[in-house]
Amino acid sequence: QVQLVQSGAEVKKPGSSVKVSCKASGGTFSSYTISWVRQAPGQGLEWMGRIIPILGIANYAQKFQGRVTITADKSTSTAYMELSSLRSEDTAVYYCARTCSSTSCYTLMDVWGQGTTVTVSS
Amino acid sequence: QTVVTQEPSFSVSPGGTVTLTCGLSSGSVSTSYYPSWYQQTPGQAPRTLIYSTNTRSSGVPDRFSGSILGNKAALTITGAQADDESDYYCVLYMGSVVVFGGGTKLTVL
Repeated sequence: QVQLVQSGAEVKKPGSSVKVSCKASGGTFSSYTISWVRQAPGQGLEWMGRIIPILGIANYAQKFQGRVTITADKSTSTAYMELSSLRSEDTAVYYCARTCSSTSCYTLMDVWGQGTTVTVSS
Repeated sequence: QTVVTQEPSFSVSPGGTVTLTCGLSSGSVSTSYYPSWYQQTPGQAPRTLIYSTNTRSSGVPDRFSGSILGNKAALTITGAQADDESDYYCVLYMGSVVVFGGGTKLTVL
């Protein structure tokens, strides 16, 4: 049974960066994809990007290009999402999710982390 | 940029049937978008209901079904129950990226 456990809540200043971790237990980390999805207070879900750990290849939503970096450490079965140049609008809950690796099920995110609250405030 | 559209809100009576839809601001949704549907209650992570248009995720009751209706993806709930009151999100594959719709708040009353 795969579980994803995320790092704890963060409070950051505008202009700084945040790095959230997502550690997998159970299953074979390198055999699947990890997506990152965020949800601002009272708002909907927003896909940020994903990584294929076995290849180390990531791709990102256009909105976040240049500001987000998703990486993975196969040795510790941990994925990371780093968001830079933070602004108040980045205040949100950030989720990691195990994602199907095949094109035909790229939209399937079947195991979710518990979420990490990031608050951006001066 | 193409936007994924959903009804902002919907209501259904207990025991009733409701169909939520997922469209595009420009163009039609087909099976090639591999639409998936997620249910979310406040404070919880999303739960997968349907993926690849019409495949139910493990443990999801068969009163949830997915399809393509006209030019949109659709999620149909038959025999609605009180605990179906949630936010529902569709997500589409759009060429190496995925895009969520804005979500539908379903009320059961």
